[in-house]
Amino acid sequence: GENVEQHPSTLSVQEGDSAVIKCTYSDSASNYFPWYKQELGKRPQLIIDIRSNVGEKKDQRIAVTLNKTAKHFSLHITETQPEDSAVYFCAASSGGGADGLTFGKGTHLIIQP
Amino acid sequence: GAVVSQHPSRVICKSGTSVKIECRSLDFQATTMFWYRQFPKQSLMLMATSNEGSKATYEQGVEKDKFLINHASLTLSTLTVTSAHPEDSSFYICSARDPWGTTGETQYFGPGTRLLVL
Repeated sequence: GENVEQHPSTLSVQEGDSAVIKCTYSDSASNYFPWYKQELGKRPQLIIDIRSNVGEKKDQRIAVTLNKTAKHFSLHITETQPEDSAVYFCAASSGGGADGLTFGKGTHLIIQP
Repeated sequence: GAVVSQHPSRVICKSGTSVKIECRSLDFQATTMFWYRQFPKQSLMLMATSNEGSKATYEQGVEKDKFLINHASLTLSTLTVTSAHPEDSSFYICSARDPWGTTGETQYFGPGTRLLVL
């Protein structure tokens, strides 16, 4: 089955700086890669996703890049703000999303004021 | 749009009893729903895929007789934890896929159910 590795487990950055979280996946059949933000005790919320036919996608301060050959994808957050502090999970699935998601272990992002 | 609800939000039960958790898609029809489990400070682990009108597909290591899933309509899936034990205490989260949404692959998550088995 799919295996998703996520690094780092904790990331502390100064407010206004950029944050980068990286994930690798093992199953070459995976073709859908979402990123979720989860605050303590709350549901995961989708912040951005990318499909395997696209190399990069951007939505305001958030961007995701995908390298299919190397089987890795990354989340980039620019101009970080205190409200960006949360746990971020990457995930992967095959079947165009008809299959369940395999999640990485999560990254606790801390924005220092 | 694309709102998913869960009920109850938290439940405490005695060891050996059964607990039913409901997952509803409120403003769309979900042919496929998923059930995940999340232990404290850990990631989400897929337990099973629930398809409307057919049997659920369970992930390896998940006991289908212990975690009963029913997806009787396009807006409701239920997870029943049978003969619950303390090790079943966890955060159970469902998600639903809207195949006719702007992105047919997006999974929308419910708010989760925190289960504590004494």
